[in-house]
Amino acid sequence: NAGVTQTPKFQVLKTGQSMTLQCAQDMNHNSMYWYRQDPGMGLRLIYYSASEGTTDKGEVPNGYNVSRLNKREFSLRLESAAPSQTSVYFCASSGVAGNSYEQYFGPGTRLTVT
Amino acid sequence: LAKTTQPISMDSYEGQEVNITCSHNNIATNDYITWYQQFPSQGPRFIIQGYKTKVTNEVASLFIPADRKSSTLSLPRVSLSDTAVYYCLVGGPNNAGNMLTFGGGTRLMVKP
Repeated sequence: NAGVTQTPKFQVLKTGQSMTLQCAQDMNHNSMYWYRQDPGMGLRLIYYSASEGTTDKGEVPNGYNVSRLNKREFSLRLESAAPSQTSVYFCASSGVAGNSYEQYFGPGTRLTVT
Repeated sequence: LAKTTQPISMDSYEGQEVNITCSHNNIATNDYITWYQQFPSQGPRFIIQGYKTKVTNEVASLFIPADRKSSTLSLPRVSLSDTAVYYCLVGGPNNAGNMLTFGGGTRLMVKP
């Protein structure tokens, strides 16, 4: 099993450009999450999806949109990137038993917006 | 959401036992306590979870007093590879992702 995979690993955008971060999991998990982590800080939840077909806002949703394409995939879109969105983005998933404490994280996407 | 407070950083030496304490005075009846570990340039990794008393796995032990207002993560005989940031999280037993709030964590430095 690959676990949680994210693409791309690195990305540089100019202000105003758009892009989509991709995430996929092969653990048959119901729930998936997007976090951002700024330097020296903890993770902050952007959006989450408790199950296929549902999405909800987290702590810092402004400037982002998400799509739960199917049970495996959860994408994060930046419609008009801003320098304040320079961060490392982590995708995570959690299991079918409803235990969202044990989240499995991907390797992260380092995004720089100039 | 229950707020957690943990030391910003700790230093230790190889072979020592490390105890990291987290306070969560406003923990709710249904809340569990979970600890994650994060290495540089990686996503966090689940270490251990508990509700009360003591939980032990192959990596760590978690001690939770009766009032549950604090918890202590114990790492036995640390090695250099245990240098990482450790996060204490408190949240309820449902599938809502917004219950997981990562604070600043504790940066553990293990020295030779």
